[in-house]
Amino acid sequence: DQQVKQNSPSLSVQEGRISILNCDYTNSMFDYFLWYKKYPAEGPTFLISISSIKDKNEDGRFTVFLNKSAKHLSLHIVPSQPGDSAVYFCAAIAYGNKLVFGAGTILRVKS
Amino acid sequence: DAGVIQSPRHEVTEMGQEVTLRCKPISGHNSLFWYRQTMMRGLELLIYFNNNVPIDDSGMPEDRFSAKMPNASFSTLKIQPSEPRDSAVYFCASRTGTSGSSYNEQFFGPGTRLTVL
Repeated sequence: DQQVKQNSPSLSVQEGRISILNCDYTNSMFDYFLWYKKYPAEGPTFLISISSIKDKNEDGRFTVFLNKSAKHLSLHIVPSQPGDSAVYFCAAIAYGNKLVFGAGTILRVKS
Repeated sequence: DAGVIQSPRHEVTEMGQEVTLRCKPISGHNSLFWYRQTMMRGLELLIYFNNNVPIDDSGMPEDRFSAKMPNASFSTLKIQPSEPRDSAVYFCASRTGTSGSSYNEQFFGPGTRLTVL
């Protein structure tokens, strides 16, 4: 049973436009959510996170939105740059438990 | 800091052989995680340790897989005997904090790409 789902395997966006990556979860006990970014031949690196008590967290070009009632979160990248091309993993954690990752979304930013 | 170190980076072996993957966590981190990444299932947690003690190994696929952490600076993941379906990228990650911490930023190593023929 996949508790964290990223339903779009890939996304292609023009440079300078907005990239929106989506993530849905099923476990209402999740209280913290993270996005990781992964380049080929490298390990995932932490990008941005949000606590369940918030609905938005912003860090430069990256903003994560959380809709608890819909059990949905999204990552917005504005403006998108070619260097943002990577695999993006959504992850969630319940207090005192382990990270659960989604399957990932491949983002391609075209110049 | 050198980050999480994994070796080897690539491993090609034949079915039935023993495979040992190695990980050195970031100094001072007391939690260590082993993940497997495949196209079909994405990133799956296999096992994690807290203060060198295995806490949750429910993700270990079967008895052919075993993991050890003899000290705070070293861990191994062993597959014996290996099978073609074990082919994947295996990541090690580490973090500070105890199992009671809600914030859980993990730092990943570069991974070991395993191919079992």
